[in-house]
Amino acid sequence: DARVTQTPRHKVTEMGQEVTMRCQPILGHNTVFWYRQTMMQGLELLAYFRNRAPLDDSGMPKDRFSAEMPDATLATLKIQPSEPRDSAVYFCATGRTATNYGYTFGSGTRLTVV
Amino acid sequence: QQPVQSPQAVILREGEDAVINCSSSKALYSVHWYRQKHGEAPVFLMILLKGGEQKGHEKISASFNEKKQQSSLYLTASQLSYSGTYFCGIFPYGSSNTGKLIFGQGTTLQVKP
Repeated sequence: DARVTQTPRHKVTEMGQEVTMRCQPILGHNTVFWYRQTMMQGLELLAYFRNRAPLDDSGMPKDRFSAEMPDATLATLKIQPSEPRDSAVYFCATGRTATNYGYTFGSGTRLTVV
Repeated sequence: QQPVQSPQAVILREGEDAVINCSSSKALYSVHWYRQKHGEAPVFLMILLKGGEQKGHEKISASFNEKKQQSSLYLTASQLSYSGTYFCGIFPYGSSNTGKLIFGQGTTLQVKP
């Protein structure tokens, strides 16, 4: 089965450090989402791209978070500087255009900021 | 804009049935259902595109009432493997061409022997 690959799986970092999470979409998937999951907030949409163009990043704290898609095989989510409240599981999900297909989630990056 | 799921949590015995509801304040283009097991990523179960549509996946089925802006997930003769958190994801009208999927807060289902 095709997979969405996310790296790293786990990351522990100190407050103030930069964190970069990576996602490799399934070949042919042109929509990429970044979600953050915490116990309190559930699955929050941070940003998403279609055909590498950012469509909406309104869910993302702009001062410290940034999302990019430098090419069709790589999406990145950066946090600089990181804070303890950023501790969560970050999922990348990819799919085909619009709404007729389900999305495939990566295994997630579990981020702990101490 | 986030859909509301009910109930928040369900505990069942093996073989019992359950219904999970997902309601939206906006007219819906389509509804997705996902299941997430503890420590794993959400997995796509099914999508409903049309009002009145019903679908099945093993003994899990769903319906979509477009007029009532809601969807329901039916778990029949539940198995231990059905345990997990179920999320509905909605595409409100107007978002169908942008692909912005908004998830409910999730319903935790626990099936006991």
